[in-house]
Amino acid sequence: GAVVSQHPSWVICKSGTSVKIECRSLDFQATTMFWYRQFPKQSLMLMATSNEGSKATYEQGVEKDKFLINHASLTLSTLTVTSAHPEDSSFYICSAGLGPPPETQYFGPGTRLLVL
Amino acid sequence: KQEVTQIPAALSVPEGENLVLNCSFTDSAIYNLQWFRQDPGKGLTSLLLIQSSQREQTSGRLNASLDKSSGRSTLYIAASQPGDSATYLCAPTDSWGKLQFGAGTQVVVTP
Repeated sequence: GAVVSQHPSWVICKSGTSVKIECRSLDFQATTMFWYRQFPKQSLMLMATSNEGSKATYEQGVEKDKFLINHASLTLSTLTVTSAHPEDSSFYICSAGLGPPPETQYFGPGTRLLVL
Repeated sequence: KQEVTQIPAALSVPEGENLVLNCSFTDSAIYNLQWFRQDPGKGLTSLLLIQSSQREQTSGRLNASLDKSSGRSTLYIAASQPGDSATYLCAPTDSWGKLQFGAGTQVVVTP
């Protein structure tokens, strides 16, 4: 149980385009979902926390207009990288929280984004 | 702000040796601490979760200890195998549920 999926698993896009990444909790309802990014050889950095039906909370230094997060239902959160540039190329991982805070987080398999 | 350090950054051992991976954190007010495994280009696999009230947690060949007051956790892997080659991440969780990840220890186990 507690499976989280991400789609797509990898994406290549041209600079200036927008890319949407989906995160789904397959067998449980997640009131909270988290988005991380990971640069090569570096650790995961929390970008934002999203709660179903409310605005996401972004970490310091993360541009909310650049990384749009929508948590439309208890099983789906989306991250849209708007007007992507090569420096946005990274590995994006989501996690879904199960249980009352502080939730146990279950991680998705990640999405690799390459912006040309 | 929580700072997490993992030492060593990389480790290469022959098959059969025991592995010792260290994690230190600056803020001892944690809710729990998790150890994860990450294979190249892949997501995270949770290995062990230690609650703040616990001293250690075991699963098969893996054992993790936690000394919250001194801000340290250690992951032991007994009788290493080539399949243990991966990056190991530790992540303390605060009371809000936020995980703070270390940079990881990259492990290579040679046959």
